[in-house]
Amino acid sequence: AQSVTQPDIHITVSEGASLELRCNYSYGATPYLFWYVQSPGQGLQLLLKYFSGDTLVQGIKGFEAEFKRSQSSFNLRKPSVHWSDAAEYFCAVVGGSNYKLTFGKGTLLTVNP
Amino acid sequence: EAQVTQNPRYLITVTGKKLTVTCSQNMNHEYMSWYRQDPGLGLRQIYYSMNVEVTDKGDVPEGYKVSRKEKRNFPLILESPSPNQTSLYFCASSPSSGDLTYEQYFGPGTRLTVT
Repeated sequence: AQSVTQPDIHITVSEGASLELRCNYSYGATPYLFWYVQSPGQGLQLLLKYFSGDTLVQGIKGFEAEFKRSQSSFNLRKPSVHWSDAAEYFCAVVGGSNYKLTFGKGTLLTVNP
Repeated sequence: EAQVTQNPRYLITVTGKKLTVTCSQNMNHEYMSWYRQDPGLGLRQIYYSMNVEVTDKGDVPEGYKVSRKEKRNFPLILESPSPNQTSLYFCASSPSSGDLTYEQYFGPGTRLTVT
């Protein structure tokens, strides 16, 4: 069965600092991977996705993620965090005949001024 | 505008009173799904539908029903809600076309409180 682990429940960074959110997945075949962001009281917004090809994918809002098959990881990065990036971030993997999205438990990002 | 809509957005109800949360998409997607989000647990799939009249259980189906009579609509039914169904619910849809099948579009969410 597929699974996703986000080891960090809560991360605090200063505005302007770099950010890396960790994600490890477990899936038997080629994974289809996603990062979603959820601002307080809001729905889910897709940041970026990896299906195949270049292992470094670019997303919206200046985010990028790198797929590393050898480490079963898909970490999310941003070189300089803005206060508006404060939100909860979810990594997800999809697969199987039912196209189920399996989410990690999320990482809450706090941005200090 | 391509979107997934849910109604109501907020609902407070009492134990045992049947309710339905509607979900509709205007993208002609075959695949639709319901998730619930609980603090510390992330999102978990309740039910999904591969197409009209085809539905199946996800990871946490107990206490829920669904139907898919039309492609655009996928209502979630709680016949006898209980407090442990207090949660934030998301509907999602996806096209069934190659890799696009795997990208799901989410509705805005329905916050349900059962007292």
